[in-house]
Amino acid sequence: DSGVTQTPKHLITATGQRVTLRCSPRSGDLSVYWYQQSLDQGLQFLIQYYNGEERAKGNILERFSAQQFPDLHSELNLSSLELGDSALYFCASSPGRAGEQFFGPGTRLTVL
Amino acid sequence: KNEVEQSPQNLTAQEGEFITINCSYSVGISALHWLQQHPGGGIVSLFMLSSGKKKHGRLIATINIQEKHSSLHITASHPRDSAVYICAVGGGADGLTFGKGTHLIIQP
Repeated sequence: DSGVTQTPKHLITATGQRVTLRCSPRSGDLSVYWYQQSLDQGLQFLIQYYNGEERAKGNILERFSAQQFPDLHSELNLSSLELGDSALYFCASSPGRAGEQFFGPGTRLTVL
Repeated sequence: KNEVEQSPQNLTAQEGEFITINCSYSVGISALHWLQQHPGGGIVSLFMLSSGKKKHGRLIATINIQEKHSSLHITASHPRDSAVYICAVGGGADGLTFGKGTHLIIQP
């Protein structure tokens, strides 16, 4: 158990819908990272927040957005969902701006 | 953007064998990560290294910054080592870039 929690574990929804994935980092960690893992693209970095501020941005679609709240938990919002958004979404946390990352168990999103 | 290549893509070995997985990258980095992903999907960080060598139990990771190459070794392999091993580099403004992973199966 890494100490990083993600909810929900599974999510099934329809195209065009909007969902919110939630991540709570390890106690004391200030950075939260979001990743997408699909069969065809592998693992891809989406976005990183550090102490409430966006620090790094990867291949995150405009339909996706994220934020980190004052209690350091983070949410990833996915809107206008498409079939191709079906994937495992992981969050990870680290104590500082960089360094070893601790991964949550992931949220499996299925878009029908 | 960094390109990360792992080899082999698939590896099947017998219990007890010495395993080596390789990772090469195209652009100089500050750190390289080795991750393990089990069939259930969970990801565990094995190592983060920026130079030299690190060892945890039966796992050893090395990195050669000049050659832009890292290796992950498993000594006395065991069926519970069966997993996907993923190399990742970066961690700056562009975040981590991942290799496609090496699927390792250790047969009893």
